[in-house]
Amino acid sequence: SQTIHQWPATLVQPVGSPLSLECTVEGTSNPNLYWYRQAAGRGLQLLFYSVGIGQISSEVPQNLSASRPQDRQFILSSKKLLLSDSGFYLCALGTAGNTIYFGEGSWLTVV
Amino acid sequence: GENVEQHPSTLSVQEGDSAVIKCTYSDSASNYFPWYKQELGKGPQLIIDIRSNVGEKKDQRIAVTLNKTAKHFSLHITETQPEDSAVYFCAASPPGGADGLTFGKGTHLIIQP
Repeated sequence: SQTIHQWPATLVQPVGSPLSLECTVEGTSNPNLYWYRQAAGRGLQLLFYSVGIGQISSEVPQNLSASRPQDRQFILSSKKLLLSDSGFYLCALGTAGNTIYFGEGSWLTVV
Repeated sequence: GENVEQHPSTLSVQEGDSAVIKCTYSDSASNYFPWYKQELGKGPQLIIDIRSNVGEKKDQRIAVTLNKTAKHFSLHITETQPEDSAVYFCAASPPGGADGLTFGKGTHLIIQP
């Protein structure tokens, strides 16, 4: 079965600092990978998705970026964090038939 | 694009009673409808899903029904227990939707002892 690893689990970063959240998956090949954000109020917002190495699609314009350097690795980055970037970030993988599984998430607080 | 509406936003039921959460979707091409349970501080967990060629699916105390004509689907939890307390999300996906799911805004289910 598939496994999703996300880290760090929690981080507190000052405004203007860089960000790197990493996600790796196991138990599957060439998955679709996703980054979602969940702000206060619990809605799930799709930020980026990737159907393969080096292929990134952005759903929401923002100061975040994503990269997929390897088949099972998906990275969320920012050069300069804003207060509004605070939230719960979720990596997810998609299997055949559009079934999507989520990781345990990373809590980001920008101060 | 797809739009998913979920009701109610908060649902409080007595332990042992049934709970029903309803969702409507806008894109008639959508053919996959999962439900997720999210406990505090954790990622959403897939609990049940249904595809458009099926009208109902059950898994122990939970069931999902789909009405394609009306474009709505529902989650039913029977004999509710304290561990059912969580936020539940519905979602919809069109065929070949590599861009993921469209989610409802969630329902906070509270099981009163």
